[in-house]
Amino acid sequence: AAGVIQSPRHLIKEKRETATLKCYPIPRHDTVYWYQQGPGQDPQFLISFYEKMQSDKGSIPDRFSAQQFSDYHSELNMSSLELGDSALYFCASSSYRGGEKLFFGSGTQLSVL
Amino acid sequence: KQEVTQIPAALSVPEGENLVLNCSFTDSAIYNLQWFRQDPGKGLTSLLLIQSSQREQTSGRLNASLDKSSGRSTLYIAASQPGDSATYLCAIERTGRRALTFGSGTRLQVQP
Repeated sequence: AAGVIQSPRHLIKEKRETATLKCYPIPRHDTVYWYQQGPGQDPQFLISFYEKMQSDKGSIPDRFSAQQFSDYHSELNMSSLELGDSALYFCASSSYRGGEKLFFGSGTQLSVL
Repeated sequence: KQEVTQIPAALSVPEGENLVLNCSFTDSAIYNLQWFRQDPGKGLTSLLLIQSSQREQTSGRLNASLDKSSGRSTLYIAASQPGDSATYLCAIERTGRRALTFGSGTRLQVQP
């Protein structure tokens, strides 16, 4: 069965650079979520989209933005990167009709040097 | 603000034991509660989802219960196996929000 696909798997950036993370949800899932998980921390909610519209916002810095496109894939754009942005970034998708279980991708490991 | 607490933080048991992981939450206005498993450096796998109107869910050797009035959920793992070794997280979706609040997890080690 198709899963949530994230790219890239690993990303290394310098301070003050920009990064773009991509997420392809499970087909026919209507909601996409982004989470940030620092080393030894629990996942922190950043932002979610329902049917391509932003549906909820968590602790997402102003330097970050995200959007969901017409084909339902989503991108998380991160600018002016800081050392503290180094983390595992997860995308997840769910469907109201599918019982709303969240299915997570394998994550993008971002390292800011 | 919803707070989710998991006890214990870490647990080590011999293979074959039955065990219980605990999750407590402060806001009873929950929409659902999910239990996830996370292996080191990997993504999260949803194990069980309990809607707010339900009391428990079962999948194989796993059973999760929900008591909204007391703000508690338990994950029961029967006949534990070394392959069950992972971090188990509970997460709350609050009514009206499309976001999960996670607990800090219980790190389980099952000794062969």
